[in-house]
Amino acid sequence: DVKVTQSSRYLVKRTGEKVFLECVQDMDHENMFWYRQDPGLGLRLIYFSYDVKMKEKGDIPEGYSVSREKKERFSLILESASTNQTSMYLCASSSYRGGNQPQHFGDGTRLSIL
Amino acid sequence: DAKTTQPPSMDCAEGRAANLPCNHSTISGNEYVYWYRQIHSQGPQYIIHGLKNNETNEMASLIITEDRKSSTLILPHATLRDTAVYYCIVRVAGTASKLTFGTGTRLQVTL
Repeated sequence: DVKVTQSSRYLVKRTGEKVFLECVQDMDHENMFWYRQDPGLGLRLIYFSYDVKMKEKGDIPEGYSVSREKKERFSLILESASTNQTSMYLCASSSYRGGNQPQHFGDGTRLSIL
Repeated sequence: DAKTTQPPSMDCAEGRAANLPCNHSTISGNEYVYWYRQIHSQGPQYIIHGLKNNETNEMASLIITEDRKSSTLILPHATLRDTAVYYCIVRVAGTASKLTFGTGTRLQVTL
């Protein structure tokens, strides 16, 4: 089974802090994604990566950066946390083989910025 | 990606089959149908996907009509743990691209 592991289920940080969210997948997937999910707004893509050291902006990259130094790990960084970044953050991965492979999600990190 | 329409909610008795419909009348030939579910406070879980043939795995069956304008996800023996929001998504296969969930169907499995 595909396993996508996010480092924390719940996280509380203060405004202005630099926040790191980590995601690891164990299926040798090429593609990795960071989304945030908010009530009434659905899933919104922040960044994705299709290879090591490669990254592409999603729909809402402002205030975030990412790092992918190893194939299995994709990190999301909140450069200076703000209260409007309080949200559920979801990491996903997928294989590029065949082009129709589904995305598999982690359990999410519920981040609160105080 | 094609738009999908799902009923907002459904009920199912435990042990019975749950049949969740999805309309995607504007689907194009290279678009796949994917089903996910999300149990409260957890990440979305992939269930199954297909192009035009019916598909079955250990979790569910996917029935796609011959004209591909609609599909049905079947959970053969629903349990209380199947209570979740179920999302039907239609998207083109290819390079990495975002998933967009609609409002989905809230399935309530009852004793």
